[in-house]
Amino acid sequence: KNQVEQSPQSLIILEGKNCTLQCNYTVSPFSNLRWYKQDTGRGPVSLTIMTFSENTKSNGRYTATLDADTKQSSLHITASQLSDSASYICVVSVPYSGGGADGLTFGKGTHLIIQP
Amino acid sequence: GAVVSQHPSWVICKSGTSVKIECRSLDFQATTMFWYRQFPKQSLMLMATSNEGSKATYEQGVEKDKFLINHASLTLSTLTVTSAHPEDSSFYICSAREVGDSYNQPQHFGDGTRLSIL
Repeated sequence: KNQVEQSPQSLIILEGKNCTLQCNYTVSPFSNLRWYKQDTGRGPVSLTIMTFSENTKSNGRYTATLDADTKQSSLHITASQLSDSASYICVVSVPYSGGGADGLTFGKGTHLIIQP
Repeated sequence: GAVVSQHPSWVICKSGTSVKIECRSLDFQATTMFWYRQFPKQSLMLMATSNEGSKATYEQGVEKDKFLINHASLTLSTLTVTSAHPEDSSFYICSAREVGDSYNQPQHFGDGTRLSIL
């Protein structure tokens, strides 16, 4: 069964500090891995998307890494800001098989709280 | 760009009522739209995939007669929860893939609709 496990479940850090969120997956075959940020009561917003051949991708203070051999990904947040408080969701997709469905498997997310 | 709007953002209604949720792509055309349900502290769960002009494809365990989906245009899909009951209370989120986007492009998500059935 395709699964995406994220850790930690929740994390509290002080403003200005760095943090790293983990994502392990068993999805196979693999097409791409995405990180989304979801503010409370809002829809997810895409941060990064990486295909099999990409090891790292940055979006401002967010840097995602991918090790397709060990099926692990991480999201590193640098110099955290209060606005970074949100849930961060790891999403893994299988190769497109037609019909329009994206074959996405969502993690439960890491709930990050930035304290002043 | 690539804004997806959902309406309403919050709805509270009595058990037995039918509720319609709209999902609109404001500045792009979407061949495919997706409907998700999210319970507190849980993953987004795909309910159905909606292709413009054709019947929606429902995920296993999702009742098509309970959750009616209509995707009549390239910018609008609707989800109607028929005869809603308290167990249908959840956060419903739609997303859309822009016409011409490859499969590896991220979906654009709406801000969700919180449905509470009393």
